[in-house]
Amino acid sequence: DTEVTQTPKHLVMGMTNKKSLKCEQHMGHRAMYWYKQKAKKPPELMFVYSYEKLSINESVPSRFSPECPNSSLLNLHLHALQPEDSALYLCASSHPFRFDGTGRYGTNEKLFFGSGTQLSVL
Amino acid sequence: SQQGEEDPQALSIQEGENATMNCSYKTSINNLQWYRQNSGRGLVHLILIRSNEREKHSGRLRVTLDTSKKSSSLLITASRAADTASYFCATDANNAGNMLTFGGGTRLMVKP
Repeated sequence: DTEVTQTPKHLVMGMTNKKSLKCEQHMGHRAMYWYKQKAKKPPELMFVYSYEKLSINESVPSRFSPECPNSSLLNLHLHALQPEDSALYLCASSHPFRFDGTGRYGTNEKLFFGSGTQLSVL
Repeated sequence: SQQGEEDPQALSIQEGENATMNCSYKTSINNLQWYRQNSGRGLVHLILIRSNEREKHSGRLRVTLDTSKKSSSLLITASRAADTASYFCATDANNAGNMLTFGGGTRLMVKP
């Protein structure tokens, strides 16, 4: 199974709603990611979990709250979003990055992406 | 912040022609990856080239890396209509841990 499954595929929410995006993988990957992508723009990193611990938070507003309940699941809780938060939210997973034996961070691993959740905030 | 810049931003070619996309980056890297994205979908990994490699092939894909110029190119030979997609390069800056940063992307259209 080389899939990353994201639900829901589409989500429309009001600015006062609370919703959650879900992501699941069964490839044994211990690094999981949330990316945000606006139309015709590259994905922008939001959060990275490594071994179920939050390792990178790219200064994301607190209305986005990630959670990694176990090594296969990643959630993104949404609350009081703004219309400008409308975007495609992508989950990805990979083996964690590791030192390459020379003291340098790397050896990089490829990311497996889900199909995304298209979020519209009204 | 955006590490890589790609050009062209958009490319339109006829089926059977070759497509070349370029990526430039700013800081030293461990390796560089190329991804493909169909409209509104997730990204799919195409190829990874390490900083000590200069060229890599995978099927109809050829990737080059010039670390002295901080640039890479992706060549798709004998393009097909199904190759229509956006193509992104992605780099990990040294000591950036699990932080993979994507370039702006090239939107490729292959006309049948």
